[in-house]
Amino acid sequence: AQSVTQLGSHVSVSEGALVLLRCNYSSSVPPYLFWYVQYPNQGLQLLLKYTSAATLVKGINGFEAEFKKSETSFHLTKPSAHMSDAAEYFCAVSDVYQGAQKLVFGQGTRLTINP
Amino acid sequence: NAGVTQTPKFQVLKTGQSMTLQCAQDMNHEYMSWYRQDPGMGLRLIHYSVGAGITDQGEVPNGYNVSRSTTEDFPLRLLSAAPSQTSVYFCASSLGGSGNTIYFGEGSWLTVV
Repeated sequence: AQSVTQLGSHVSVSEGALVLLRCNYSSSVPPYLFWYVQYPNQGLQLLLKYTSAATLVKGINGFEAEFKKSETSFHLTKPSAHMSDAAEYFCAVSDVYQGAQKLVFGQGTRLTINP
Repeated sequence: NAGVTQTPKFQVLKTGQSMTLQCAQDMNHEYMSWYRQDPGMGLRLIHYSVGAGITDQGEVPNGYNVSRSTTEDFPLRLLSAAPSQTSVYFCASSLGGSGNTIYFGEGSWLTVV
């Protein structure tokens, strides 16, 4: 079965600093990986996804993630944090559950941006 | 540009009451599902459907029922609400297939007292 581990339930960075949110996965097959963002009291919005094309994936709002098979990682980065990036971020791997697609989520990382 | 629509957004229930969370999608997706989100646990799959007339249980199905009479609608029923069902519920849809994006609704915040 697939699994996802997000290192750090809370990350705090200063405005303008690098954002790095860590995600490691466990998968017995080539994975499909996703990052979702959740703003307060809102639903989940797709930031980006990896589907075995380019290992560096660019998403919305200036975020990108790099798939590293040797490290089983899919860390999310943004060069310069904005106040509007404050949210909870979820890494997920696609799995098949009883023949149907499902997402296995990490525990989430809450990102705080300090002025 | 509706996507996945859930209602209600907020609800307070008393223990033992029943209610239905509504979900509709306008993307003609065959695959729909319900997740619950609890602090520190990410999202967990409750029930899912791979098409009209077909439903199945996910990881945490106890206390919930679903039906799929049309492609568009996938309501989630709480049969007899318990405090342990206090959570945020998300409906989702996709074309199916491992690499396809799963689209989520805005969420329903449910409190059982």
